[in-house]
Formats: sequence, structure tokens, C-alpha cells
Amino acid sequence: KQEVTQIPAALSVPEGENLVLNCSFTDSAIYNLQWFRQDPGKGLTSLLLIQSSQREQTSGRLNASLDKSSGRSTLYIAASQPGDSATYLCAVSLRQAGTALIFGKGTTLSVSS
Amino acid sequence: DAGVTQSPTHLIKTRGQHVTLRCSPISGHKSVSWYQQVLGQGPQFIFQYYEKEERGRGNFPDRFSARQFPNYSSELNVNALLLGDSALYLCASRPTGLNYGYTFGSGTRLTVV
Repeated sequence: KQEVTQIPAALSVPEGENLVLNCSFTDSAIYNLQWFRQDPGKGLTSLLLIQSSQREQTSGRLNASLDKSSGRSTLYIAASQPGDSATYLCAVSLRQAGTALIFGKGTTLSVSS
Repeated sequence: DAGVTQSPTHLIKTRGQHVTLRCSPISGHKSVSWYQQVLGQGPQFIFQYYEKEERGRGNFPDRFSARQFPNYSSELNVNALLLGDSALYLCASRPTGLNYGYTFGSGTRLTVV
């Protein structure tokens, strides 16, 4: 059974700091991995999608890496801003489950000014 | 282009009642999935539909059902509501092809009293 774990559960940093969020998964047979952002009480906003054959993806100040063999992904946020405060979720799309997404519980980030 | 739209945004129901949630995918997206997100947890997969056929079902009781219409919109139905069904219900759509990521709607907040 695929399990997705995100560490840390919560993180507080001052504005301008670079930070890394971690995601691990137990089954390497994935189609892709997606990072999402969720503001309180809101839906999910897709940040980055990494295919199983890729090593990393970049969008602006965000960089996500994928090491499928070790079952790990990281989301790197450069020069954090208060507007980055949100919960960050990673999800894997399984090959054997009709491409349903399996989510971690998320990392709640707070960036103080 | 409009994103994934869900209705209603909020609703309150009494235990034992029935509820219908609606989702309109992004134009051209034929795959629609439903997720339940309880406070403090990551979303849990409920159903996936593609071309009006069920392609995946998560570990939810038979009180949960769904369908997809010829225009690819979808309904999620929950019968005999329990207090534990209180959650944010998210709909996601995706283009055809396994290498595309999901786009989520803003969700329906269901409160069962």
C-alpha cells in the first residue's frame, strides 16, 4: 500500500530564508508526483508536476526534485515571502490504481515579515 | 478558460439526510476525480470517472456514489449522512493522457449536524 509522508508537519521561518520541504513515498511505481499549495479552507493550487522519468522541475522561486529509486521528493522555496504561507501537499499518481492521487498530510509553512 | 467549478461552496445537512455535490471540469477534460479532505489531513481519493465510466474507487462505503454526464460534469452523492462525513469535498479534472497533472476546484465544505 502506497504511503506518502511529509516532513516537517509545520515550519516557521523569517522572510527571505530559503527552505526545503520533504516528501517520501513507499512505492516507486508512480506515474508522476505533484506538489500543491492549499490556503486555509480553500482548494488546491498545483505548483509543479514531475514525471517519473524526470529529476526536477522549476517554476519561479520553486524547484522540485524527484528521486524515484529512494522514494523521495523535495520542494525548495527560495527567498521565502509572507505570501508563501500556506499548507504544501505532495501527491503521487500510482500506476496500478487508475492514476488516483495519494496525498501526504502536508507541511504548514508560516513565513514571518 | 474557466477552471474546475464546484457547487455549492458550503452547505449544512442533518444526520441521515442525502446530499448531492456538483463539479464542472475544465473544458476538454474528460477525467474527473473526487476527494474528501478532513480537517488536518491530506485529501483522500473517493472516485475517478473517465468518459462516463468509473475507473477507480477509494475505500469509502457504499453510501458514496457518483456519476459523470455526457458533458463530462459529475455529481457526488452521499446517502445517510454521518457526522464524520463533514469535510471539504474536492473535485479535480485532468486532460486525457497519463502524464498530465490534476487541476482542483475550490471545493464544497459540507457540515453535518
